[in-house]
Amino acid sequence: ETGVTQTPRHLVMGMTNKKSLKCEQHLGHNAMYWYKQSAKKPLELMFVYNFKEQTENNSVPSRFSPECPNSSHLFLHLHTLQPEDSALYLCASSPGGRVVSEAFFGQGTRLTVV
Amino acid sequence: QKEVEQNSGPLSVPEGAIASLNCTYSDRGSQSFFWYRQYSGKSPELIMSIYSNGDKEDGRFTAQLNKASQYVSLLIRDSQPSDSATYLCAVLTGFQKLVFGTGTRLLVSP
Repeated sequence: ETGVTQTPRHLVMGMTNKKSLKCEQHLGHNAMYWYKQSAKKPLELMFVYNFKEQTENNSVPSRFSPECPNSSHLFLHLHTLQPEDSALYLCASSPGGRVVSEAFFGQGTRLTVV
Repeated sequence: QKEVEQNSGPLSVPEGAIASLNCTYSDRGSQSFFWYRQYSGKSPELIMSIYSNGDKEDGRFTAQLNKASQYVSLLIRDSQPSDSATYLCAVLTGFQKLVFGTGTRLLVSP
């Protein structure tokens, strides 16, 4: 298996639920990212991990909690979300290090908060 | 001012024509520039990267960069209906963040 894999592909959750999104990359990369894509808005960078250390938290609400246990895996833990959090959540990876180069994306998780 | 700006379109071109997609950016310290293609309901796919002023060609695609004007463009020659998608411009800013524009929707009619 190659590339960047995200699970689940679709998720519907209530505002009081707790769920997690998973991302796994098989590219030997050292940097991983979470992006949010809402309708008619640019891709919004949420979090960046470089060699398992969080290097960017782009003013994301605390109801989104990332976890990066190793260079190949990235999670996004969700709790008490709001309907406006409904969006496509994309994971990406890149070679990493000091310079961020091109990122390769997973297929995304379509999240609906009801 | 948005960090990366693109015309949202749609840009409509007939099959076989040249499609020209444009992007401007605000951070003069930006070093690297990328074009991604995103089909409806799919994730973005990297199609071109460019790091220095001038043109870079790859098959039917040509990326052009002008750092003085803070402008990057993508030309698609011999456009095909299968090229119909949203094209995202991404810029690696001086703060080491990969920032995306809103994308330009391209429609190629047979």
